[in-house]
Amino acid sequence: AQSVTQLGSHVSVSEGALVLLRCNYSSSVPPYLFWYVQYPNQGLQLLLKYTTGATLVKGINGFEAEFKKSETSFHLTKPSAHMSDAAEYFCAVSEGTSYDKVIFGPGTSLSVIP
Amino acid sequence: DAGVTQSPTHLIKTRGQQVTLRCSPISGHKSVSWYQQVLGQGPQFIFQYYEKEERGRGNFPDRFSARQFPNYSSELNVNALLLGDSALYLCASREGPPSGELFFGEGSRLTVL
Repeated sequence: AQSVTQLGSHVSVSEGALVLLRCNYSSSVPPYLFWYVQYPNQGLQLLLKYTTGATLVKGINGFEAEFKKSETSFHLTKPSAHMSDAAEYFCAVSEGTSYDKVIFGPGTSLSVIP
Repeated sequence: DAGVTQSPTHLIKTRGQQVTLRCSPISGHKSVSWYQQVLGQGPQFIFQYYEKEERGRGNFPDRFSARQFPNYSSELNVNALLLGDSALYLCASREGPPSGELFFGEGSRLTVL
């Protein structure tokens, strides 16, 4: 069965500092991996996704993530945090088949300190 | 183009009642999934429908049911509501095969008293 773990339920960074949100997954097949962001009282928005090909994936708002198969990881980074990055971030995994379900991690709440 | 729309946005029910939540996917999207998000947790998969057929079911009791209509809209029904059913219910749509990203609605926030 697929699963996702996110290390750190809450991360605080200073404005302008590096953002690093950790995600590890388990999957019996090559996975599709996603990062979603959720702002208060809103639905989820896709930041970026890995399906096949290049392991370093760039997304919206300056975020990127690297798929490391040997470490079963898909950590999310951003070089310089902005106040508007404060939100809940969810890592998710699917098997990449036609009708598969997407499994979400528990989420990491990011706070940005001015 | 309109995104995924859900209704109602907020509702309050009492224990034992029944609730129906509605979802309209993005035009052209044939797959609809339902997720339950309890406060402070990640979304939990409830159902997936594609071309009006159930394609997946999460670990939820039989009190939860859903269906997809010919226009690809969907309803989620929950019977005999419990306090623990209080949550944000998210609907997501995506195109058919191959697998792609989910597009989420704003959710229906259900409070059970």
